[in-house]
Amino acid sequence: GENVEQHPSTLSVQEGDSAVIKCTYSDSASNYFPWYKQELGKRPQLIIDIRSNVGEKKDQRIAVTLNKTAKHFSLHITETQPEDSAVYFCAAPPDTGFQKLVFGTGTRLLVSP
Amino acid sequence: DTEVTQTPKHLVMGMTNKKSLKCEQHMGHRAMYWYKQKAKKPPELMFVYSYEKLSINESVPSRFSPECPNSSLLNLHLHALQPEDSALYLCASSQDRAQPIEQYFGPGTRLTVT
Repeated sequence: GENVEQHPSTLSVQEGDSAVIKCTYSDSASNYFPWYKQELGKRPQLIIDIRSNVGEKKDQRIAVTLNKTAKHFSLHITETQPEDSAVYFCAAPPDTGFQKLVFGTGTRLLVSP
Repeated sequence: DTEVTQTPKHLVMGMTNKKSLKCEQHMGHRAMYWYKQKAKKPPELMFVYSYEKLSINESVPSRFSPECPNSSLLNLHLHALQPEDSALYLCASSQDRAQPIEQYFGPGTRLTVT
């Protein structure tokens, strides 16, 4: 089955710096890779996703890159702000059936003013 | 309406109680999910319903019983729970389990079993 590894587990940056979170997956058939942001006490929110026919996708200050050969994908946040502080989860479906998502272990991002 | 709603927000129950969690979406999504999330852990899939039929049960103990009365509603019936079942229970929905998943989560029910 699919195994998703996520690093780092915690990340502290200064406001305005960039933050990068990386995930690797094991199932080469996976072709959809979402990222979720979960603030303390709140629901996970889908912030960006990428499909395997695309290498990079941007949405304002966030971007996701995908390397299918190496089976890893990354979340990039530029010009970080204190409100970016949250836990970020990557995920991947275990096969092309999209029946479920397997989540990474999460990265706690702390942005200090 | 682009939201998934869940009730109640908080629930405290004893080990002999019977309670139900409710989830509702009006986005026309045909796949609905129950997740369990412990503190500082990722969401852990419990059940998947597709077109109102149970399609995945991740070997969840029978003290958790899901129900999908119609395409907008999803219930989770709880009976004889254990303290270790205390967690945040999240509902999610997506357009169709055959399409690339864009799962949207509800706010969750924080369950405490005493």
